[in-house]
Amino acid sequence: GNSVTQMEGPVTLSEEAFLTINCTYTATGYPSLFWYVQYPGEGLQLLLKATKADDKGSNKGFEATYRKETTSFHLEKGSVQVSDSAVYFCALSGNTGFQKLVFGTGTRLLVSP
Amino acid sequence: DAGVIQSPRHEVTEMGQEVTLRCKPISGHNSLFWYRQTMMRGLELLIYFNNNVPIDDSGMPEDRFSAKMPNASFSTLKIQPSEPRDSAVYFCASSLLRAPYEQYFGPGTRLTVT
Repeated sequence: GNSVTQMEGPVTLSEEAFLTINCTYTATGYPSLFWYVQYPGEGLQLLLKATKADDKGSNKGFEATYRKETTSFHLEKGSVQVSDSAVYFCALSGNTGFQKLVFGTGTRLLVSP
Repeated sequence: DAGVIQSPRHEVTEMGQEVTLRCKPISGHNSLFWYRQTMMRGLELLIYFNNNVPIDDSGMPEDRFSAKMPNASFSTLKIQPSEPRDSAVYFCASSLLRAPYEQYFGPGTRLTVT
């Protein structure tokens, strides 16, 4: 079945450091891929998405590229801020007849000043 | 535009009591999902609806849990009777019934059963 694997956290960085959170997936067909962010005490927010191979999703300085050859969708940001501290979830959905999102376990990011 | 609306935001109740959580999806969305999030089990899908019809309730933990969607703009998740192990944050999410099926989440209801 479909699955998503994320790197274990927490990821601890200093402000202005470069961020990478790894995400790999297993899926049949051609899934769509998502990154969600959850700030403390809030619901999950869609951060970015990509719907086909080589697509790059981007938002708020975050980027992720849909790599079909490596089945990966790693999240990157060039310079993190304290306000980026949150839990980040990678997820996928099928494009035909499989609308449920399959989530990774989440990666906590802690950014210190 | 209003996002997904959930009420109440916090609920504290005693074991054995009935609890009803409410959700209003984004207008125009025709799929609705109920999730539960705990530290131990992470994010779990409980049930989802397409066009107000329950499609998959395999994640509902027990018969004590039930969900309804009487119309396109309202859904409820009921727990009767509640137990301390039901303490969690319950999220509602909605989406369009077409690819890429991105879901939009509400702020959640934090349920504490004492």
